Amino acid sequence: DIQMTQSPSSLPASLGDRVTITCRASQDIGNYLRWFQQKPGKSPRLMIYGATNLANGVPSRFSGSRSGSDYSLTINSLESEDMAIYYCLQHNEYPFTFGSGTKLEIK
Amino acid sequence: EVQLKESGPGLVQPSQTLSLTCTVSGFSLTDYSVHWVRQPPGKGLEWMGVMWSGGSTAYNSALKSRLSISRDTSKSQVFLKMNSLQTEDTAIYYCTRDAATYWGQGVMVTVSS
Repeated sequence: DIQMTQSPSSLPASLGDRVTITCRASQDIGNYLRWFQQKPGKSPRLMIYGATNLANGVPSRFSGSRSGSDYSLTINSLESEDMAIYYCLQHNEYPFTFGSGTKLEIK
Repeated sequence: EVQLKESGPGLVQPSQTLSLTCTVSGFSLTDYSVHWVRQPPGKGLEWMGVMWSGGSTAYNSALKSRLSISRDTSKSQVFLKMNSLQTEDTAIYYCTRDAATYWGQGVMVTVSS
């Protein structure tokens, strides 16, 4: 199975900060990488697809990038509504696998 | 509008079989895949399996021996059946469209006697 190593597990940050979350794939997954945001008691929400493409309705302060086997989600100018848990998902190969999650919280 | 809604029992006894239904609207099951994902309380997400638009299935190898996914296209429903349930199967179960583009609200399933 492809392992998605997500870091950090917890990320304290201040409003207005620029933050980056990373997932490293254990094998080649091309650009079959998605990012999700999950708030307490809610279903996850697709934020980024194809590693770099913004999903419908997602604010432009969110962006995705890739460097080799490292995939990153960056949030510019953090807002209070961005506090949530973020997960990556590789859907290149069965079984699809999620990262372990990053909890973004106010410092 | 794309919608998915999970339904099923909230409580299942250990060793019993879980049966869940995902009812979809706003798209056809013959055009899009439906995946099942679960999330134990306070933990991360686990992909369980998929019903592809053509009718084939694929499963997480860790669950494959216990899991079955089927569908009724006329009713726009996808079914999940998983046997030999244990307490560690307690989770919120979600159905999603495509590779989790759209999600249902989830259904909490507790395995307990």
